[in-house]
Amino acid sequence: SYELTQPPSVSVSPGQTARITCSGDALPKQYGYWYQQKPGQAPVLVIYKDSERPPGIPERFSGSSSGTTVTLTISGVQAEDEADYYCQSADSSGTYYVFGTGTKVTVL
Amino acid sequence: QVQLVESGGGLVKPGGSLRLSCAASGFIFSDYYMSWIRQAPGKGLEWVSYISSGGSTIYYADSVKGRFTISRDNAKNSLYLQMDSLRAEDTAVYYCARDGYCSSTSCSYGWFDPWGQGTLVTVSS
Repeated sequence: SYELTQPPSVSVSPGQTARITCSGDALPKQYGYWYQQKPGQAPVLVIYKDSERPPGIPERFSGSSSGTTVTLTISGVQAEDEADYYCQSADSSGTYYVFGTGTKVTVL
Repeated sequence: QVQLVESGGGLVKPGGSLRLSCAASGFIFSDYYMSWIRQAPGKGLEWVSYISSGGSTIYYADSVKGRFTISRDNAKNSLYLQMDSLRAEDTAVYYCARDGYCSSTSCSYGWFDPWGQGTLVTVSS
């Protein structure tokens, strides 16, 4: 089955930049999406269609795509950004959705 | 505002059944694809199933195919997940989520926003 691979953890100091990668063979054909999940809460969409930001999401969240990798960048990280982040996409046919393995972002 | 509220979770024995519901409000439910997504305790997210706006197109993850059935009632703005032959590994918080976005002229699909608050399903003897 199709898989999206993320690093298990990323640590960053306040004010610095955090980058989270997500790799998958179908990403050149399918968009990538990103969700933030804080403990005990439902996930929240932070990036859609590789690089679009939904209303209400701070500008410090941005996304990019290159080949088989999509990247979520958090610029000027704040303490409130500490959370789990999941990428999501679809298989090459666009039929089945898949989530990445998840990355825990720790703000030092 | 757009809101999704799940219900129906609980404790069930292995081999048992449970039916989850998701009540939608604040948007034109019949325009949107809808999905169920689950998260086992301490684990990551797993997409379970989606259903098209009219209900004619349905897909399932391999892990639930043949055991779970997704359905919807557009007149009641409601989404359902019938779960049969439940296993311990089905223990998870189950979320319903709206798929994509529809403007006045077209719809785009492929992402989940918003999500409900989730309902916990525990399969244990």
